[in-house]
Amino acid sequence: KNQVEQSPQSLIILEGKNCTLQCNYTVSPFSNLRWYKQDTGRGPVSLTIMTFSENTKSNGRYTATLDADTKQSSLHITASQLSDSASYICVVSAQQAGTALIFGKGTTLSVSS
Amino acid sequence: DAGVIQSPRHEVTEMGQEVTLRCKPISGHNSLFWYRQTMMRGLELLIYFNNNVPIDDSGMPEDRFSAKMPNASFSTLKIQPSEPRDSAVYFCASSSGGLPREEAFFGQGTRLTVV
Repeated sequence: KNQVEQSPQSLIILEGKNCTLQCNYTVSPFSNLRWYKQDTGRGPVSLTIMTFSENTKSNGRYTATLDADTKQSSLHITASQLSDSASYICVVSAQQAGTALIFGKGTTLSVSS
Repeated sequence: DAGVIQSPRHEVTEMGQEVTLRCKPISGHNSLFWYRQTMMRGLELLIYFNNNVPIDDSGMPEDRFSAKMPNASFSTLKIQPSEPRDSAVYFCASSSGGLPREEAFFGQGTRLTVV
């Protein structure tokens, strides 16, 4: 069964600290993996997308990694800011016709001063 | 560009009433998606259109839900009759790609409360 599991469910960190969010998936055949950031009351916004051959991709202070062998991805946030407080959603696509889009339930990050 | 525009932003309705959610995609995008988000289930893809044609509606929960896209700049998601368990945030997204795995741009959502 295609599944995406994210951990932790929620996280609280101090401003300026780093953190890492995890995403494990069982989707097959794999097409790509995307991390979204969703601010409260807003729609999700894409941060990074990675295909099978990509191990790392950065977007400013956000760095995503992908290990296709272990089917794990992480999103590392460096020098966190208050504006990083949001929900981070991992989405995995299967390489097949139709929707084949599997969403994680997200990690809620709170950055405090 | 104004982005994906959804209306209304908030809707409160009584059980049994008909609810219509509206979406205007980004101009030039040929794919449109309707999502539902709840605390319990997270984001779920309900249906997507490509060039105004419904491609996959397997995510639509039941016959009470219907979606239309009469032209490239407008889509509706209708729930009739509505039930309390339909309470959720409904997002519309659009993209220039033909598949859900392409990057999509989301609207701000419609928060639906059915009492």
